[in-house]
Amino acid sequence: DAGITQSPRHKVTETGTPVTLRCHQTENHRYMYWYRQDPGHGLRLIHYSYGVKDTDKGEVSDGYSVSRSKTEDFLLTLESATSSQTSVYFCAINGGVGTEAFFGQGTRLTVV
Amino acid sequence: EDQVTQSPEALRLQEGESSSLNCSYTVSGLRGLFWYRQDPGKGPEFLFTLYSAGEEKEKERLKATLTKKESFLHITAPKPEDSATYLCAVLSSGGYQKVTFGTGTKLQVIP
Repeated sequence: DAGITQSPRHKVTETGTPVTLRCHQTENHRYMYWYRQDPGHGLRLIHYSYGVKDTDKGEVSDGYSVSRSKTEDFLLTLESATSSQTSVYFCAINGGVGTEAFFGQGTRLTVV
Repeated sequence: EDQVTQSPEALRLQEGESSSLNCSYTVSGLRGLFWYRQDPGKGPEFLFTLYSAGEEKEKERLKATLTKKESFLHITAPKPEDSATYLCAVLSSGGYQKVTFGTGTKLQVIP
């Protein structure tokens, strides 16, 4: 299995609070991604990173920010959580454009 | 806008009953089509990448094929352990690694 660890695995938080999810990889892959998965929707890209301190927005980036200060760590922050951000969040990595992605186990986030 | 449609949404098969899952796509310049398997409570697991029409790939009881408008995942003589949700995704020639996922086909194989 690809070395990807997401933390926490489950979190319940209150509306308006900041939340940070962590993705840690041991594969030294250049690209890292944050997706959310909701019923009736495919996986949707929130943000991605193509190197240390190099990040860009995906299709559903509003309300989210990311940081990558080391190759192995990619953080996703919800600045002020809302109920619409209740979802399962997946981190993924790959080594280059057009190559397969390896996914973490997911973080189930509930905003109450 | 890139679109990926998977059908059926759910499929129930008897063990040994072969079938196919469909992934239809509309994309501005296909750079690759991916199949993943996802078990409940887990992240997607990579199965195949197809790059051009006519390409085929096989792994155990699974075979993926690609045309210019769709891909099929053929499952031959499935076993209960093949039960999972199968996801299709396409990589287009957008400005970044623009991968669009379908919503998946949930397969249940009954002993």
